[in-house]
Amino acid sequence: QSALTQPASVSGSPGQSITISCTGTSSDVGGYKSVSWYQHHPGKAPKLMIYAVSNRPSGVSNRFSGSKSGNTASLSISGLQAEDEADYYCFSYASRNTWVFGGGTKVTVL
Amino acid sequence: QVTLRESGPALVRPTQTLTLTCTFSGFSLSTGGMCVTWIRQPPGKALEWLALIDWDDAKYYSTSLQTRLTISKDTSKNQVVLTMTNMDPVDTATYYCARALYNSGTYPFDYWGQGALVTVSS
Repeated sequence: QSALTQPASVSGSPGQSITISCTGTSSDVGGYKSVSWYQHHPGKAPKLMIYAVSNRPSGVSNRFSGSKSGNTASLSISGLQAEDEADYYCFSYASRNTWVFGGGTKVTVL
Repeated sequence: QVTLRESGPALVRPTQTLTLTCTFSGFSLSTGGMCVTWIRQPPGKALEWLALIDWDDAKYYSTSLQTRLTISKDTSKNQVVLTMTNMDPVDTATYYCARALYNSGTYPFDYWGQGALVTVSS
């Protein structure tokens, strides 16, 4: 399976909102309600931010939200904070009992 | 409190077989809905999903690596083992294990280990 397509980098100023896209196909992102998003600070364990497209685990700030349209899923971060600077990965079921990550997006807080 | 910890060799020679162990606590892999998965990240590159084993001993593998991977569980020891054969320098990566919780067709990875760096070099 091919990696899902994410922009290499996205940046924003503190307080602003940003959106990270994750584009796949009808065989993965578009075909299932199974997209999740992970935040990864280098040197630390990744953290689940969104699952099942738009569900937020307990303890995750409501500044993070997820959505999907067709073959593209999106992660939005509102009220951008310095601590949000990290790498973000989307992840999706890709049929035949396999899963695939996106290529990752580096979020920079200016 | 759920914790996971990866263990295994830090250095592997090319062509050798890598064996990694994920030792976890705070949940049982015999409980319905519980799964453990392995993910890796080569230096400077993206996360890559490798394999998953569920409470019913069903096993799933990355299509591109399935011929080299084997995942197994020892419920009594709270451990999941991943073996990868014929290691190559391109397999140099930090290997993570994580808990996956089956939820309406999705498997969110809600707890992760800190990762284990494995270097493949002669």
